[in-house]
Amino acid sequence: DTEVTQTPKHLVMGMTNKKSLKCEQHMGHRAMYWYKQKAKKPPELMFVYSYEKLSINESVPSRFSPECPNSSLLNLHLHALQPEDSALYLCASSQVTGTTYEQYFGPGTRLTVT
Amino acid sequence: AQRVTQPEKLLSVFKGAPVELKCNYSYSGSPELFWYVQYSRQRLQLLLRHISRESIKGFTADLNKGETSFHLKKPFAQEEDSAMYYCALMSNTGKLIFGQGTTLQVKP
Repeated sequence: DTEVTQTPKHLVMGMTNKKSLKCEQHMGHRAMYWYKQKAKKPPELMFVYSYEKLSINESVPSRFSPECPNSSLLNLHLHALQPEDSALYLCASSQVTGTTYEQYFGPGTRLTVT
Repeated sequence: AQRVTQPEKLLSVFKGAPVELKCNYSYSGSPELFWYVQYSRQRLQLLLRHISRESIKGFTADLNKGETSFHLKKPFAQEEDSAMYYCALMSNTGKLIFGQGTTLQVKP
């Protein structure tokens, strides 16, 4: 299995809701990433997990809370989001963090905050 | 500062014409550079990385350290090449830094 999968594909939530995005890979990768992508813009890194530990947090607001329960799974918990948080949320994985390792991207979850 | 610049937002060419998508970078040290492609309604995927020096779908990219460039080239564009192309630099902290992207439009 050489794919990163993400669920759900689409999510609409109100500003008071709590929801979670899920990402899974079975390639044995030990690094996993969350990115946010606005329309016609490049992905912006949010979080990096390395060996199930959070290694990079790009000053993301606390209404986004990542979790890595095991080496194959990555979650992003959402709470009290704002309309400007509407975007495509991408998950990626790589063998480990480091300069030569390709990042494999999932198809994304399209989030709309109403 | 570590930065990737793609000067063209949109590049429009006719089928069969040569294509060059420009990418310049700013990095102290030996850079690791990548080209990613995002076709309509598909996931972002790696097209090329400079260390492999291979040609994928007819595309090549050469690292020019003197000009700090990593331009993507293809001698004869195909309609199926129409997509968004991102040049990216891997930082020394393992962070992938993307350029703003260039939309390639290949007209019939």
